[in-house]
Amino acid sequence: NAGVTQTPKFQVLKTGQSMTLQCAQDMNHNSMYWYRQDPGMGLRLIYYSASEGTTDKGEVPNGYNVSRLNKREFSLRLESAAPSQTSVYFCASSEYGTADQPQHFGDGTRLSIL
Amino acid sequence: GQQLNQSPQSMFIQEGEDVSMNCTSSSIFNTWLWYKQEPGEGPVLLIALYKAGELTSNGRLTAQFGITRKDSFLNISASIPSDVGIYFCAGQLRMNTGFQKLVFGTGTRLLVSP
Repeated sequence: NAGVTQTPKFQVLKTGQSMTLQCAQDMNHNSMYWYRQDPGMGLRLIYYSASEGTTDKGEVPNGYNVSRLNKREFSLRLESAAPSQTSVYFCASSEYGTADQPQHFGDGTRLSIL
Repeated sequence: GQQLNQSPQSMFIQEGEDVSMNCTSSSIFNTWLWYKQEPGEGPVLLIALYKAGELTSNGRLTAQFGITRKDSFLNISASIPSDVGIYFCAGQLRMNTGFQKLVFGTGTRLLVSP
């Protein structure tokens, strides 16, 4: 009963390095999301994919890119990491349809940029 | 970015006490959600509220969706040590595209003394 799986769980990067955060869900959800969580703040949306083949910017997209590889997988890429991107990153997924469906979250990737 | 006003920021209570926390917003939401986050994990959905005025229980947890659709509260009765964590409210709005915008509160950190 995995739900939403994120890899890696922890990562330390140097400024300027690049990396991709992976997310996969096994609930057959259509919509997927990437958030970041900083101390004292709630989660803020970076990018989302309403359905396979589409991606859109959220509240804080600068410095990130995303790829909806297939219905199950949604990756987040940092092309040139900056210390301001040190955060905990969460992936989430939800149904797509006429009924309001809540989002389900992974356990997060803790990213430190030196 | 938009965030919900959540209070209190933190609570330190004795085991057995009841707890109440609330969220308010200037915006109207279709759905109110309450999540709990434990250290090192992602937010886990506790209760989802879909109708204005709705009162829903999940074990010792009770939550209500405000009549105006701009507020919600969460009560925890007879608290136990495993209730420790950060509780987030979230307002969810489904856009015409199907995208479900989720706006988070800043969280209430709950500590329970045995």
